[in-house]
Amino acid sequence: KAGVTQTPRYLIKTRGQQVTLSCSPISGHRSVSWYQQTPGQGLQFLFEYFSETQRNKGNFPGRFSGRQFSNSRSEMNVSTLELGDSALYLCASSPGGGLDTQYFGPGTRLTVL
Amino acid sequence: GEDVEQSLFLSVREGDSSVINCTYTDSSSTYLYWYKQEPGAGLQLLTYIFSNMDMKQDQRLTVLLNKKDKHLSLRIADTQTGDSAIYFCAESMDSSYKLIFGSGTRLLVRP
Repeated sequence: KAGVTQTPRYLIKTRGQQVTLSCSPISGHRSVSWYQQTPGQGLQFLFEYFSETQRNKGNFPGRFSGRQFSNSRSEMNVSTLELGDSALYLCASSPGGGLDTQYFGPGTRLTVL
Repeated sequence: GEDVEQSLFLSVREGDSSVINCTYTDSSSTYLYWYKQEPGAGLQLLTYIFSNMDMKQDQRLTVLLNKKDKHLSLRIADTQTGDSAIYFCAESMDSSYKLIFGSGTRLLVRP
């Protein structure tokens, strides 16, 4: 099976802009989670979607949002970008039917200038 | 509360065993994971252990879980230069898909 794919891999934006990142889970996986990785804060959970519904949410401001489509692909959006939003954004997928392991994609490196 | 701690750095000689340690605070942790991250890459799932287990072995990897002390360790036998990376310990609770990660241990394998 193909792994988790994320697009784009690299992105440069300026403060105040908005950005949309995309994640395609492993075929058959219905749960998609998003994480932010920064040198200062480490890996932090953003949110998790299952069957187009957000099931869990981390402690991030409302500028961070996401959605999931009927084919389980997910997007996350960050509006009004700040310098501190520069990070590696990782997407993980899992079957979603219970307690199962999460498999991560390669990430999208976002740089905000 | 939720907190996972790891030592920041470990240096070993090629061929030796590496032991990476992790402590967690939440006794309701259900699964505990080890992920590997190489430079510029995402997270690779190495292995995981369910909280009712004490040990799990998978080829060169051995995971030990001490529930009483909330201590988790990853032993890599016959460590190779390709094992140089950052290793993250993570926990998940109940049916939540939220993973709580440690800060990562950078493993350097010297030739």
